[in-house]
Amino acid sequence: DVKVTQSSRYLVKRTGEKVFLECVQDMDHENMFWYRQDPGLGLRLIYFSYDVKMKEKGDIPEGYSVSREKKERFSLILESASTNQTSMYLCASRTGLSYEQYFGPGTRLTVT
Amino acid sequence: AQKITQTQPGMFVQEKEAVTLDCTYDTSDPSYGLFWYKQPSSGEMIFLIYQGSYDQQNATEGRYSLNFQKARKSANLVISASQLGDSAMYFCAMRGPYSGSARQLTFGSGTQLTVLP
Repeated sequence: DVKVTQSSRYLVKRTGEKVFLECVQDMDHENMFWYRQDPGLGLRLIYFSYDVKMKEKGDIPEGYSVSREKKERFSLILESASTNQTSMYLCASRTGLSYEQYFGPGTRLTVT
Repeated sequence: AQKITQTQPGMFVQEKEAVTLDCTYDTSDPSYGLFWYKQPSSGEMIFLIYQGSYDQQNATEGRYSLNFQKARKSANLVISASQLGDSAMYFCAMRGPYSGSARQLTFGSGTQLTVLP
C-alpha cells in the first residue's frame, strides 16, 4: 500500500528556532513536494524535488529550504522560525509516470 | 499563470441527495489535468478523481463524477447519494506547467461539505 509518512503530527516551536520537518515515502517515487495549507488559501507549493539532490522553488519558498539526500526522504527546513510560518505542512510524492500525488498526514506547526 | 477558483467556502447537503461542488480554472497551457481531493478532519488528502484536458468523456469513479466543461473552464465535482462520511473539505487542483521532471499542482481554496442526517 502507498505510504507517505511525516515525522510529527503536531509541533510547537519558538520564534528563531531552526525547524526540521521530515517526510518519507516508501513507493520509490522520483518526485516529492512540500505544501503549506492555510484556511481560505488552499494548499500552496513551497518546494519540490524531482530527483535526489535536485530541488526547485515553488510559489512561496521564502523562509524555507529543503534537502533531499536520499530518494525516499525529503526534508523541509525553517532556518529561523517565525510566527507567520504557523501552518499545516503537507508532504506529497508521485512517480514520473502518473499525475496523482500521494499525501502524508500533515504536520501542524505552531510557532510561538 | 494558473488559477483555480472554488467559490463555495461551505456547502450543506441532505444525506442520500446529490451535491455539486464548483471549480473553475484558468490556464494558457493546452495540455492540463484537473483533480479533486478530499480532506477529512484527520488531515490526510485523499485523491478522488482526475480529468485530462484531452479526455473526451467525463471522468467517473463510483459515486464521484467530474462535470468537465472545457469551453466554460469548469470542472465541477458531483457526488451522488451523499453519505455522512462525505463530510470533509474538498479541493480542486490543476496539473501545472512542465518544470524539470515534475508537474506541480495548483490548488483552489477548498469547499467544506457537511452532510446532514
